[in-house]
Amino acid sequence: EIVLRQSPGTLSLSPGERATLSCRASQSVTSSSLAWYQQKPGQAPRLLIYGASSRATGIPDRFSGSGSGTDFTLTITRLEPEDFAVYYCQQYGSSPLTFGGGTKVEIK
Amino acid sequence: QLQLQESGPGLVKPSETLSLTCTVSGGSIRSSSYYWDWVRQSPGKGLEWIGSVYYSGSTWYNPSLKSRVSMSVGTSKNQFSLKVTSVTAADTAVYYCAGRLTVGYSPHYYWGQGTLVTVSS
Repeated sequence: EIVLRQSPGTLSLSPGERATLSCRASQSVTSSSLAWYQQKPGQAPRLLIYGASSRATGIPDRFSGSGSGTDFTLTITRLEPEDFAVYYCQQYGSSPLTFGGGTKVEIK
Repeated sequence: QLQLQESGPGLVKPSETLSLTCTVSGGSIRSSSYYWDWVRQSPGKGLEWIGSVYYSGSTWYNPSLKSRVSMSVGTSKNQFSLKVTSVTAADTAVYYCAGRLTVGYSPHYYWGQGTLVTVSS
């Protein structure tokens, strides 16, 4: 099973600032099959990024993903008020599919 | 656009069987384009993939739950279902049904709103 570790656990930032979230895998992720999701309280996760760097439909270009192998990054260039949420990475190239523990982006 | 909606009891007694149904709209459960998944989220373990079912009835389960889980596709309705046997408090979670594409490797593009299941006597 591929274990995903996300850091930091919590990121305290102000609107307009840049957010950099990390996801590290215990072994290489098959074919960059790495996704990022955003989750707000009481809601289901929402797909942001798939294939490590491709934005899902309707996702603003301030969200970008990068990385390969075992190290992946989600960057939000300028935080908008609606971006404060919890973000999860997921690998879907190996069974069982696994998720990271999440990074909470909170208002400073 | 696919829409998914979970339904089922919100309270299950320890040692009993948890049963949930997911109703799909905007697409056919019998399409070869999708895998139908269950994912749960508990405070203690975060997000956990439970398993997948294909329209043909083929299933894939997380080894951590494999001995207690079964999934199936409905025969007359646009639904798929989840059963978890011998539940304990550790099975208390929000359960989501979700859809993935069958082209290559696919993340979860489609999610239900989730349903909270509490295991308690």
